[in-house]
Amino acid sequence: GDSVTQMEGPVTLSEEAFLTINCTYTATGYPSLFWYVQYPGEGLQLLLKATKADDKGSNKGFEATYRKETTSFHLEKGSVQVSDSAVYFCALSDPAGGGFKTIFGAGTRLFVKA
Amino acid sequence: GAGVSQSPSNKVTEKGKDVELRCDPISGHTALYWYRQRLGQGLEFLIYFQGNSAPDKSGLPSDRFSAERTGESVSTLTIQRTQQEDSAVYLCASSLAGARNTIYFGEGSWLTVV
Repeated sequence: GDSVTQMEGPVTLSEEAFLTINCTYTATGYPSLFWYVQYPGEGLQLLLKATKADDKGSNKGFEATYRKETTSFHLEKGSVQVSDSAVYFCALSDPAGGGFKTIFGAGTRLFVKA
Repeated sequence: GAGVSQSPSNKVTEKGKDVELRCDPISGHTALYWYRQRLGQGLEFLIYFQGNSAPDKSGLPSDRFSAERTGESVSTLTIQRTQQEDSAVYLCASSLAGARNTIYFGEGSWLTVV
């Protein structure tokens, strides 16, 4: 079945450091890919998405590129801030593999130190 | 409504009792999802509705769990004879039909079984 694997956390960085959170997926069809973020004490919300190969999703300085050849959707940010501390979830939605069910990775907790 | 609404926001129940959790999706969203998030863990898919039918119930942990949706709107997740391992946040989300659409989450229902 479809699945999402993302790097284990927690990830601890200093402010202004470069961030990469790896995400790879397995899908039956041609999925859409998403990053969701959960800030402390808040609900999950969409951070960015990409719906076809080579698309780049971007928001709030974060970027991720849909790489079909490597089945990856790694999240990057050039300079993190303390306010980026949160849990980040990679997700896919595959119309072939499971209807419109969105499958999430286990989440990666990011701590950013001042 | 403006967003996905869940109730109750917090529920403490005694082991062995039944609980009902309610979700009001965003108006017009035909897809509705239930996920479970145990403390410090990722999202576990429970069930997905398209309209009032549930094409995928594969994530329901046991026959103590059931869900229904009526009027292509409100959904209820019922847990019978609750156990301590049922303690978690139960998240509801909704979306327009189609795999490429963003899903929008409610704030969750925190369930504690004592």
